[in-house]
Amino acid sequence: KNEVEQSPQNLTAQEGEFITINCSYSVGISALHWLQQHPGGGIVSLFMLSSGKKKHGRLIATINIQEKHSSLHITASHPRDSAVYICAVSLPRFGNEKLTFGTGTRLTIIP
Amino acid sequence: DADVTQTPRNRITKTGKRIMLECSQTKGHDRMYWYRQDPGLGLRLIYYSFDVKDINKGEISDGYSVSRQAQAKFSLSLESAIPNQTALYFCATSGGLAEQFFGPGTRLTVL
Repeated sequence: KNEVEQSPQNLTAQEGEFITINCSYSVGISALHWLQQHPGGGIVSLFMLSSGKKKHGRLIATINIQEKHSSLHITASHPRDSAVYICAVSLPRFGNEKLTFGTGTRLTIIP
Repeated sequence: DADVTQTPRNRITKTGKRIMLECSQTKGHDRMYWYRQDPGLGLRLIYYSFDVKDINKGEISDGYSVSRQAQAKFSLSLESAIPNQTALYFCATSGGLAEQFFGPGTRLTVL
Protein backbone atom coordinates (compact mmCIF):
# COMPACT_ATOMS: atom_id res chain seq x y z
CA LYS A 1 0.00 0.00 0.00
CA ASN A 2 1.31 3.41 -0.95
CA GLU A 3 2.03 5.74 1.94
CA VAL A 4 0.28 8.54 0.03
CA GLU A 5 -3.03 7.95 -1.72
CA GLN A 6 -4.87 10.48 -3.85
CA SER A 7 -8.43 10.52 -5.09
CA PRO A 8 -9.82 10.75 -7.61
CA GLN A 9 -7.17 9.72 -10.13
CA ASN A 10 -8.96 11.64 -12.86
CA LEU A 11 -11.49 14.44 -12.61
CA THR A 12 -13.33 16.26 -15.38
CA ALA A 13 -15.51 19.25 -14.56
CA GLN A 14 -17.18 22.23 -16.18
CA GLU A 15 -15.70 25.68 -15.94
CA GLY A 16 -16.87 27.41 -12.78
CA GLU A 17 -17.34 24.28 -10.70
CA PHE A 18 -15.90 23.87 -7.21
CA ILE A 19 -13.17 21.23 -7.26
CA THR A 20 -11.97 19.01 -4.42
CA ILE A 21 -8.97 16.70 -4.61
CA ASN A 22 -8.18 14.45 -1.67
CA CYS A 23 -4.97 13.08 -0.21
CA SER A 24 -4.66 10.48 2.54
CA TYR A 25 -1.46 9.28 4.14
CA SER A 26 -0.73 6.40 6.45
CA VAL A 27 2.17 7.58 8.61
CA GLY A 28 3.11 10.53 10.78
CA ILE A 29 4.37 13.42 8.72
CA SER A 30 6.28 16.65 9.20
CA ALA A 31 4.49 18.51 6.42
CA LEU A 32 2.28 17.98 3.41
CA HIS A 33 2.88 19.54 0.02
CA TRP A 34 0.55 20.19 -2.90
CA LEU A 35 2.21 20.50 -6.30
CA GLN A 36 0.88 21.30 -9.75
CA GLN A 37 2.29 19.69 -12.88
CA HIS A 38 1.45 21.54 -16.05
CA PRO A 39 0.63 19.74 -19.32
CA GLY A 40 4.12 20.65 -20.52
CA GLY A 41 5.62 18.74 -17.60
CA GLY A 42 6.85 21.51 -15.30
CA ILE A 43 6.16 21.14 -11.57
CA VAL A 44 5.29 24.04 -9.29
CA SER A 45 4.85 23.96 -5.53
CA LEU A 46 1.44 25.29 -4.51
CA PHE A 47 1.34 24.81 -0.75
CA MET A 48 3.27 23.38 2.14
CA LEU A 49 1.28 22.92 5.33
CA SER A 50 1.51 21.09 8.62
CA SER A 51 -1.79 22.19 10.17
CA GLY A 52 -4.97 24.08 9.44
CA LYS A 53 -5.61 25.78 6.16
CA LYS A 54 -3.86 27.91 3.57
CA LYS A 55 -5.33 30.00 0.76
CA HIS A 56 -3.76 31.43 -2.37
CA GLY A 57 -6.08 33.05 -4.85
CA ARG A 58 -8.72 30.51 -5.83
CA LEU A 59 -6.82 27.62 -4.27
CA ILE A 60 -7.38 26.42 -0.70
CA ALA A 61 -5.52 23.61 1.03
CA THR A 62 -6.60 22.03 4.30
CA ILE A 63 -5.11 19.34 6.46
CA ASN A 64 -6.48 17.24 9.32
CA ILE A 65 -3.54 15.72 11.15
CA GLN A 66 -5.66 13.41 13.32
CA GLU A 67 -7.40 11.91 10.30
CA LYS A 68 -4.23 11.95 8.15
CA HIS A 69 -6.07 13.68 5.36
CA SER A 70 -5.68 16.77 3.23
CA SER A 71 -7.83 18.39 0.59
CA LEU A 72 -7.07 20.81 -2.20
CA HIS A 73 -9.98 22.95 -3.30
CA ILE A 74 -10.27 25.12 -6.39
CA THR A 75 -13.06 27.68 -6.49
CA ALA A 76 -14.51 29.01 -9.75
CA SER A 77 -12.45 26.55 -11.78
CA HIS A 78 -11.05 27.64 -15.13
CA PRO A 79 -9.60 25.70 -18.08
CA ARG A 80 -6.14 26.99 -17.15
CA ASP A 81 -6.45 24.97 -13.92
CA SER A 82 -6.22 21.80 -16.02
CA ALA A 83 -3.14 20.00 -14.75
CA VAL A 84 -2.01 17.10 -12.62
CA TYR A 85 -2.14 17.87 -8.90
CA ILE A 86 0.31 15.96 -6.76
CA CYS A 87 0.27 15.45 -3.01
CA ALA A 88 3.56 14.74 -1.23
CA VAL A 89 4.56 14.31 2.41
CA SER A 90 7.72 14.93 4.38
CA LEU A 91 8.47 12.00 6.67
CA PRO A 92 10.28 12.55 9.98
CA ARG A 93 12.26 9.31 9.61
CA PHE A 94 14.01 10.91 6.64
CA GLY A 95 14.90 14.01 8.57
CA ASN A 96 11.98 15.96 7.14
CA GLU A 97 13.93 16.56 3.95
CA LYS A 98 12.73 13.86 1.60
CA LEU A 99 9.32 13.80 -0.02
CA THR A 100 7.10 10.80 -0.68
CA PHE A 101 4.70 11.46 -3.55
CA GLY A 102 1.21 10.37 -4.48
CA THR A 103 0.52 9.37 -8.07
CA GLY A 104 -1.39 12.56 -8.84
CA THR A 105 -4.90 13.62 -9.84
CA ARG A 106 -5.40 14.63 -13.45
CA LEU A 107 -7.86 17.54 -13.57
CA THR A 108 -9.52 18.65 -16.79
CA ILE A 109 -11.73 21.73 -16.82
CA ILE A 110 -14.03 22.01 -19.83
CA PRO A 111 -15.00 25.49 -21.03
CA ASP B 1 15.68 33.39 -16.09
CA ALA B 2 14.65 30.10 -14.54
CA ASP B 3 15.99 29.41 -11.06
CA VAL B 4 16.50 25.68 -11.73
CA THR B 5 17.62 24.59 -15.17
CA GLN B 6 18.15 21.17 -16.65
CA THR B 7 20.03 20.10 -19.75
CA PRO B 8 19.24 18.50 -22.05
CA ARG B 9 15.46 18.88 -22.11
CA ASN B 10 15.01 15.88 -24.38
CA ARG B 11 17.39 13.05 -25.16
CA ILE B 12 17.12 9.87 -27.16
CA THR B 13 19.92 7.37 -26.68
CA LYS B 14 20.67 3.72 -27.25
CA THR B 15 21.02 0.86 -24.83
CA GLY B 16 24.49 0.70 -23.33
CA LYS B 17 25.37 4.35 -23.86
CA ARG B 18 26.57 6.58 -21.06
CA ILE B 19 24.52 9.70 -20.56
CA MET B 20 24.70 12.65 -18.21
CA LEU B 21 21.85 14.92 -17.18
CA GLU B 22 22.83 18.24 -15.71
CA CYS B 23 21.10 20.52 -13.23
CA SER B 24 22.02 24.05 -12.24
CA GLN B 25 20.36 26.39 -9.77
CA THR B 26 20.65 30.05 -8.90
CA LYS B 27 18.58 29.92 -5.70
CA GLY B 28 21.58 29.45 -3.43
CA HIS B 29 20.08 26.30 -1.94
CA ASP B 30 22.22 23.62 -0.33
CA ARG B 31 19.86 20.75 -0.96
CA MET B 32 19.45 19.20 -4.40
CA TYR B 33 17.50 16.16 -5.56
CA TRP B 34 17.09 13.96 -8.61
CA TYR B 35 13.72 12.29 -9.26
CA ARG B 36 12.29 10.17 -12.01
CA GLN B 37 8.65 10.09 -13.03
CA ASP B 38 7.00 7.18 -14.80
CA PRO B 39 3.40 7.05 -16.04
CA GLY B 40 1.06 5.91 -13.27
CA LEU B 41 3.74 6.19 -10.60
CA GLY B 42 4.59 9.02 -8.26
CA LEU B 43 7.89 10.82 -8.44
CA ARG B 44 10.63 8.64 -7.01
CA LEU B 45 13.85 9.83 -5.48
CA ILE B 46 17.08 8.67 -7.14
CA TYR B 47 19.75 10.61 -5.24
CA TYR B 48 19.91 13.66 -3.01
CA SER B 49 22.63 15.93 -1.72
CA PHE B 50 22.52 18.23 1.29
CA ASP B 51 25.79 19.93 0.40
CA VAL B 52 28.80 19.42 -1.85
CA LYS B 53 30.31 16.75 0.41
CA ASP B 54 27.07 14.98 1.29
CA ILE B 55 25.47 12.66 -1.28
CA ASN B 56 22.88 10.03 -0.46
CA LYS B 57 21.08 7.28 -2.28
CA GLY B 58 17.35 7.51 -2.71
CA GLU B 59 14.87 4.71 -3.19
CA ILE B 60 15.88 3.80 -6.79
CA SER B 61 19.60 4.55 -7.12
CA ASP B 62 20.67 1.32 -8.87
CA GLY B 63 21.99 2.07 -12.35
CA TYR B 64 22.56 5.75 -11.59
CA SER B 65 25.37 7.85 -10.17
CA VAL B 66 25.62 11.54 -9.31
CA SER B 67 28.19 14.27 -8.93
CA ARG B 68 27.83 17.51 -6.97
CA GLN B 69 30.40 19.67 -8.68
CA ALA B 70 29.49 22.82 -6.78
CA GLN B 71 26.69 24.11 -4.62
CA ALA B 72 24.84 25.13 -7.75
CA LYS B 73 25.42 22.02 -9.90
CA PHE B 74 24.22 18.46 -9.50
CA SER B 75 24.61 15.94 -12.33
CA LEU B 76 22.97 12.55 -12.81
CA SER B 77 24.70 9.87 -14.87
CA LEU B 78 23.46 6.65 -16.38
CA GLU B 79 26.62 4.61 -16.89
CA SER B 80 25.03 2.11 -19.25
CA ALA B 81 21.51 3.11 -20.20
CA ILE B 82 18.77 0.51 -20.45
CA PRO B 83 15.24 0.84 -21.86
CA ASN B 84 13.51 0.76 -18.46
CA GLN B 85 15.34 3.97 -17.61
CA THR B 86 13.12 5.72 -20.13
CA ALA B 87 11.34 8.32 -18.01
CA LEU B 88 10.93 11.99 -17.19
CA TYR B 89 13.72 13.16 -14.89
CA PHE B 90 13.43 16.14 -12.56
CA CYS B 91 15.99 18.00 -10.55
CA ALA B 92 14.81 19.95 -7.51
CA THR B 93 16.32 22.21 -4.87
CA SER B 94 15.33 23.14 -1.36
CA GLY B 95 16.47 25.55 1.29
CA GLY B 96 15.65 23.13 4.10
CA LEU B 97 12.30 22.53 5.78
CA ALA B 98 10.52 24.25 2.97
CA GLU B 99 9.11 23.77 -0.45
CA GLN B 100 11.13 22.21 -3.22
CA PHE B 101 11.71 24.03 -6.50
CA PHE B 102 11.71 21.85 -9.59
CA GLY B 103 13.52 22.16 -12.88
CA PRO B 104 11.60 21.82 -16.14
CA GLY B 105 12.41 18.13 -16.54
CA THR B 106 14.40 16.03 -19.00
CA ARG B 107 12.56 13.52 -21.14
CA LEU B 108 14.90 10.58 -21.68
CA THR B 109 14.21 7.77 -24.12
CA VAL B 110 16.48 4.71 -24.20
CA LEU B 111 16.04 2.60 -27.31
